[in-house]
Amino acid sequence: RKEVEQDPGPFNVPEGATVAFNCTYSNSASQSFFWYRQDCRKEPKLLMSVYSSGNEDGRFTAQLNRASQYISLLIRDSKLSDSATYLCVVGYNFNKFYFGSGTKLNVKP
Amino acid sequence: GAGVSQSPRYKVAKRGQDVALRCDPISGHVSLFWYQQALGQGPEFLTYFQNEAQLDKSGLPSDRFFAERPEGSVSTLKIQRTQQEDSAVYLCASSLAGDYGYTFGSGTRLTVV
Repeated sequence: RKEVEQDPGPFNVPEGATVAFNCTYSNSASQSFFWYRQDCRKEPKLLMSVYSSGNEDGRFTAQLNRASQYISLLIRDSKLSDSATYLCVVGYNFNKFYFGSGTKLNVKP
Repeated sequence: GAGVSQSPRYKVAKRGQDVALRCDPISGHVSLFWYQQALGQGPEFLTYFQNEAQLDKSGLPSDRFFAERPEGSVSTLKIQRTQQEDSAVYLCASSLAGDYGYTFGSGTRLTVV
C-alpha cells in the first residue's frame, strides 16, 4: 500500500467552479502536510502547508483530518491558470516526505 | 543563490555509462533531498542529507546510485552503469528545516538510450 494516495483525475471543471481534492495517508505518525503544484515539465512548487486547524490562502483552503488520515484542498472560483497537477505531501520525523502521484486539474473556459 | 540550481538540465547517456548530477541548494539550507520522478508519477524519495551527513539513503534503488554532500552545500548524485529504467527526472530540494516545506530545483531529465 502506498504511503500517500490521491485520485489521479483528471478533474475537468469550468472557470469559476469550486473543486476539491482529497489525499489519504497511511502513517498515523505523520507530522507535516503540504500541497504542491506541478505544471507540465516543471518542478513542484509549494502551494501551501496544511495545519490541523485548517488554513486558507486566497481562493485555496486546505484541511487536515487526522482521525481519518486525509487532507483536502479546496479551490474556489477556478481560473484557467489553476490547471496543473496537485501533489499531496506527507512527512514524518521532518526528514521523510512522501508524495502522492498527483491529481490533475483542467480548468476550461 | 536565489533558488535551487541543478545541472545539467538534460542528460542523455548510453546504457552502461556513468553520470553525475549536481545540485546547488539555497544558501544556508540545512536539509537536502533527492527525488526521482518518472513520467506521470509523483516524486519518489531517494536520499536525504542534513548538512554533510547522509541520514537516510533508503530510497536509493540500487548500489549503482550514490550521493554525496561533502561540505554540506553542493550535492552530487552519481549513477553508475546506467540502465534504461534509470530514465527519469531527478529533482533536488532543499529546506531550512523540514517543517517549512522545501524548494525544488528544476530537475535533471536523464534519458538512457
